[in-house]
Amino acid sequence: QVQLVESGGGVVQPGGSLRLSCEASGLTFSSYGMYWVRQAPGKGLDWVTFIQYDGNDKYYTDSVKGRFSVSRDNSKSTLYLQMNRLRVEDTAVYYCAKEHEYANAWGADHWGQGVLVIVSS
Amino acid sequence: DIQMTQSPSSLSASVGDRVTITCRASQSISNSLNWYQQRPGKAPKLLLYGASRLQSGVPSRFSGSGSGTDFTLTISSLQPEDFATYYCQQSHSSPQWTFGQGTRVDVK
Repeated sequence: QVQLVESGGGVVQPGGSLRLSCEASGLTFSSYGMYWVRQAPGKGLDWVTFIQYDGNDKYYTDSVKGRFSVSRDNSKSTLYLQMNRLRVEDTAVYYCAKEHEYANAWGADHWGQGVLVIVSS
Repeated sequence: DIQMTQSPSSLSASVGDRVTITCRASQSISNSLNWYQQRPGKAPKLLLYGASRLQSGVPSRFSGSGSGTDFTLTISSLQPEDFATYYCQQSHSSPQWTFGQGTRVDVK
């Protein structure tokens, strides 16, 4: 059974940094692209970033380019999101998600439980 | 960027009702449209992918249709566990996704 478990959230001041982790189990982690998706309190879902199965290709939404960095350690079945120069508007629950078993174009078929990041002074 | 617009933003329904949610893309996305259900405090759950393909384990009362710019999610007979928020998501520009703003389904 696929499990994705996020950690590393918390409260940070504007301009600060935080690193989120997403540990995967029950799958061949190195075979799948992975996503981070966030949800601000009371709001909808927003795609943040994607990393290819081998870590060679990465994509970011415009609002986090140059501030966030996605990476992965396939030997540890773990996905990371390094968040620097955090802004109040980055406050959200951050979910990691696995690309669909059949194709990347079919969305994400497994999601973690989410981790809360609060950016506040 | 491809914009996704859902309607309605919310609706009230009763158990047993047939519920329909619409999603419109700002440009043609072929059948690259996925639907998610999110219950309060929980992670999203994939219901349908490729506009009409039921994800494994999802009840058959959920169905999807559409192609191009207009898509529909239908729940044939609403069950108590279906009261939730539903999101469409385009994957035409995958891996750069866009979600609709969500449709909340609550108890009438």
